[in-house]
Amino acid sequence: DAGITQSPRHKVTETGTPVTLRCHQTENHRYMYWYRQDPGHGLRLIHYSYGVKDTDKGEVSDGYSVSRSKTEDFLLTLESATSSQTSVYFCAISDPRQGGETQYFGPGTRLLVL
Amino acid sequence: GENVEQHPSTLSVQEGDSAVIKCTYSDSASNYFPWYKQELGKGPQLIIDIRSNVGEKKDQRIAVTLNKTAKHFSLHITETQPEDSAVYFCAARPGAGTALIFGKGTTLSVSS
Repeated sequence: DAGITQSPRHKVTETGTPVTLRCHQTENHRYMYWYRQDPGHGLRLIHYSYGVKDTDKGEVSDGYSVSRSKTEDFLLTLESATSSQTSVYFCAISDPRQGGETQYFGPGTRLLVL
Repeated sequence: GENVEQHPSTLSVQEGDSAVIKCTYSDSASNYFPWYKQELGKGPQLIIDIRSNVGEKKDQRIAVTLNKTAKHFSLHITETQPEDSAVYFCAARPGAGTALIFGKGTTLSVSS
């Protein structure tokens, strides 16, 4: 988890409210990713970024948006949270110029939507 | 798109025994295959990886083998220890892009 922090680490919210999760890195890695982890599904990619202001969708992007205004920060927003978005969210980073293909994961954010 | 299947979903072994976890992938263009270990309450951590131009890689008690023809790769842990108990994920990187496609995970329990 070195060099990657996620905030908050735990959050409880109500259906219909907006939620923003933050990933912060100190490694100056170019690529950043948001995954969600659910029992029986492993890790699934939500969105990723390949540079400041450059983002793309993953396999489970519906209901989520992202923004990256600085190299070190990648935000994941649930515009109107639903119970199906209860999950553990992981941020990851990589950089072909530094660590090659390796993705390094943050400690995760546990989100409960009531 | 790429699909990764991982087996078994749970694996119980005695301390000192070997453990093998197998994954298959569907996209023949996939070229990078990492394995991650996840302990309770933590993020996944890379333990070993292999690229498509290599058939086998070892790191102490851990080894990974890749069969490109059959499109499967395996994780081998020898002389298992209780601290090896965790959830293990395989992943594959499709030929295009950097994103990883993960298997659903294997919960390994090593009893002493």
